[in-house]
Amino acid sequence: EVQLVESGGGLVQPGGSLRLSCVASGFTFSSYWMNWVRQAPGKGLEWVANINEDGSAKYYVDSVKGRFTISRDNAKNSLFLQMNSLRAEDTAMYYCGRSGDYWGQGTLVTVSS
Amino acid sequence: DVVMTQSPLSLPVTLGQPASISCRSSQSLVYSDGNTYLNWLQQRPGQSPRRLIYKVSNRGSGVPDRFSGSGSGTDFTLKISRVEAEDVGVYYCMQHTHWPHTFGPGTKLEIK
Repeated sequence: EVQLVESGGGLVQPGGSLRLSCVASGFTFSSYWMNWVRQAPGKGLEWVANINEDGSAKYYVDSVKGRFTISRDNAKNSLFLQMNSLRAEDTAMYYCGRSGDYWGQGTLVTVSS
Repeated sequence: DVVMTQSPLSLPVTLGQPASISCRSSQSLVYSDGNTYLNWLQQRPGQSPRRLIYKVSNRGSGVPDRFSGSGSGTDFTLKISRVEAEDVGVYYCMQHTHWPHTFGPGTKLEIK
């Protein structure tokens, strides 16, 4: 069974940083593109970032370019999202996803003073 | 960016009746490999998204056969043959042909 478990969310002040983690199980992690998707409270879904199987290709939505970094550790079946210079508009539930077919339960990021 | 639109945005349905959701993209979703990367997702209240349909018309693992997808190019449709209570939630179309991948605004299905 595919499982994706996110952690690392919390309350942070504007301008601060957070690092989200996602541990995967139930599939060969190193064989899949992975992604982060977010959902602001009461809003729709927004794709944030993608990373290919070996981490050599990364894509970001314009609103997070230069502030967020996606990475992975295939030896530990783990996906990460380093978020710097956080803004109020980054407040959302962040979901770890596998190639657009499975998503975890999410971790909530709140950016507020 | 590819803009995805959906209609209707709100869909009240009687139990046992069919339902249909339309999704349109601002440009063709046919990729260079010939595939069309259009998925349909379901998000039940308080839950994370779940993929129902991939590549326009393929049902995901464990998805009931009352769900079906069709379409091509820029026009796509999700149909539910007979709505059940567990189908309540928001349905999104999603394209991953072009970067950035984008979602439709969502269609909220409720029981009348």
